[in-house]
Amino acid sequence: QQQVKQSPQSLIVQKGGISIINCAYENTAFDYFPWYQQFPGKGPALLIAIRPDVSEKKEGRFTISFNKSAKQFSLHIMDSQPGDSATYFCAVIMGAGNMLTFGGGTRLMVKP
Amino acid sequence: DTGVSQDPRHKITKRGQNVTFRCDPISEHNRLYWYRQTLGQGPEFLTYFQNEAQLEKSRLLSDRFSAERPKGSFSTLEIQRTEQGDSAMYLCASSFGGGTGEQYFGPGTRLTVT
Repeated sequence: QQQVKQSPQSLIVQKGGISIINCAYENTAFDYFPWYQQFPGKGPALLIAIRPDVSEKKEGRFTISFNKSAKQFSLHIMDSQPGDSATYFCAVIMGAGNMLTFGGGTRLMVKP
Repeated sequence: DTGVSQDPRHKITKRGQNVTFRCDPISEHNRLYWYRQTLGQGPEFLTYFQNEAQLEKSRLLSDRFSAERPKGSFSTLEIQRTEQGDSAMYLCASSFGGGTGEQYFGPGTRLTVT
């Protein structure tokens, strides 16, 4: 049972463009929604995260939009740069153990 | 470097052999997590420790897998009688307990079972 569905699987964006990655979840008990960035050969690193009582959070060029009623959240990367080329994972956290459940990932390529 | 470290970075083994991986978390972190990531997929939770206590195990963690965290410091993950389906990246992460403490991931151990 896939608890977090992420789309698209891959994305190609021109330098300076906007990258948009979407995630949908089923369980309304999830209480924290982070996005992770992973470069080849490295472990995932937290990029930005949001709680369900907030509809939007912005940090630099990265913005999370959260739609609680639709059970969806998305990552927007403004002014995308070649250095942003990586795999991005949405995730959810629930419960006292804070175990992460990840989406399937989006491979982003930003063309110079 | 005070981040999470994992050893070895790569391991090639023959089917049926036992392998052991080590994770050294960030020193002040009391929680330690193990995840498995197969090619093209997101990481999947295996198990986690709070200090030396193993508090939760995923159904993915078959009886061939065992994890320990003696004295609440480093952790080891052992796979007995490896199978080709065990080939994956094994990731370790650590965090402060409580709240939604950010999990810091190590670089992973890439296991290939031939």
